[in-house]
Amino acid sequence: GQNIDQPTEMTATEGAIVQINCTYQTSGFNGLFWYQQHAGEAPTFLSYNVLDGLEEKGRFSSFLSRSKGYSYLLLKELQMKDSASYLCAVSNDYKLSFGAGTTVTVRA
Amino acid sequence: SAVISQKPSRDICQRGTSLTIQCQVDSQVTMMFWYRQQPGQSLTLIATANQGSEATYESGFVIDKFPISRPNLTFSTLTVSNMSPEDSSIYLCSVEGGSGNTIYFGEGSWLTVV
Repeated sequence: GQNIDQPTEMTATEGAIVQINCTYQTSGFNGLFWYQQHAGEAPTFLSYNVLDGLEEKGRFSSFLSRSKGYSYLLLKELQMKDSASYLCAVSNDYKLSFGAGTTVTVRA
Repeated sequence: SAVISQKPSRDICQRGTSLTIQCQVDSQVTMMFWYRQQPGQSLTLIATANQGSEATYESGFVIDKFPISRPNLTFSTLTVSNMSPEDSSIYLCSVEGGSGNTIYFGEGSWLTVV
């Protein structure tokens, strides 16, 4: 079975840093994806981790520890437009199992 | 990156009818998938669209309710059959980006069943 957990909601201030944690227990693993989804829109790809460690992409970074079944997405220098849902997804042969999503609200 | 177009983008459907959603990709892709996102929930995989053979369905989804076609490497359709209000969802087409490290989604098809 697939079990992917992430917090439901997080609130942060503009300019701050927020870390969204994701823990997983899955029957197969080919990599872990993070997506951003604004209300009324489709998910957009943010990051992919297949090996342990940190992947940095501008203001967004993602970390993976396969032995711990753990990942996090780090959002730095938060902007109002970063208010969205962030989805953690585990890939097994390119088939994705998603967590419930974390709604991030950025306040001025 | 792959560009994925879905049609229709939105529709309001009558209970008991069927609707076919199209997914067109701007390049040949091996792996294509269909997902559903019910209101307030995350995405759930419906099936893998296999080129030249029957789709592979996930637990809880059946071919009679969600028939899928994949005539070539750039196109697929998902039909939502005999719709009920519970089928009101976003339906999303997804493809593997070719390098193994990206999976893209189409813009989604927002269906409301009344």
